[in-house]
Amino acid sequence: SQTIHQWPATLVQPVGSPLSLECTVEGTSNPNLYWYRQAAGRGLQLLFYSVGIGQISSEVPQNLSASRPQDRQFILSSKKLLLSDSGFYLCAWRAGGAGELFFGEGSRLTVL
Amino acid sequence: QKEVEQNSGPLSVPEGAIASLNCTYSDRVSQSFFWYRQYSGKSPELIMSIYSNGDKEDGRFTAQLNKASQYVSLLIRDSQPSDSATYLCAVNMVRDMRFGAGTRLTVKP
Repeated sequence: SQTIHQWPATLVQPVGSPLSLECTVEGTSNPNLYWYRQAAGRGLQLLFYSVGIGQISSEVPQNLSASRPQDRQFILSSKKLLLSDSGFYLCAWRAGGAGELFFGEGSRLTVL
Repeated sequence: QKEVEQNSGPLSVPEGAIASLNCTYSDRVSQSFFWYRQYSGKSPELIMSIYSNGDKEDGRFTAQLNKASQYVSLLIRDSQPSDSATYLCAVNMVRDMRFGAGTRLTVKP
């Protein structure tokens, strides 16, 4: 069966520090991968999606970036965090572009 | 107009009642629709998917889709306190999925 993991689960970072969140999917190949952010009490905002290795589409211009160095690995990064980057970051996958989306456990980021 | 709209709630129903959650979407070409449940502090989990007009039932959950009206709903029968959560409506777009802001449901014992 397919599983998705992301880490770290929780992190507290100072403003201006770098960020790296990692997500891996097991049990499938060539998944579509997604990064969403959910601010407190808000809906899910799509940040990036990828349909293959090295293929990244950005939805929101900001100080975040994403990379997909391997088929089942998706990384979210920032060189310098802002207070507004605080939130609940969710990695998700699906097979192809039309089916159900499955989420990882989430990474809660607090920028101080 | 937002791509996916939901009443934010909160919606409060007594235990055993029917909870009705509604969602509208703007993209007429969307073909697949989903309902996710999100407990506080947790990630969303899929509870229903629907692709055709009409009703789809799964246990206590019924999803309803009306593409002409661009409307999706979720009915929860015999609501339980464990159903208290935020329910997210999701609509498949060309390459990604867009979510509503969610409706917070509270089921009171």
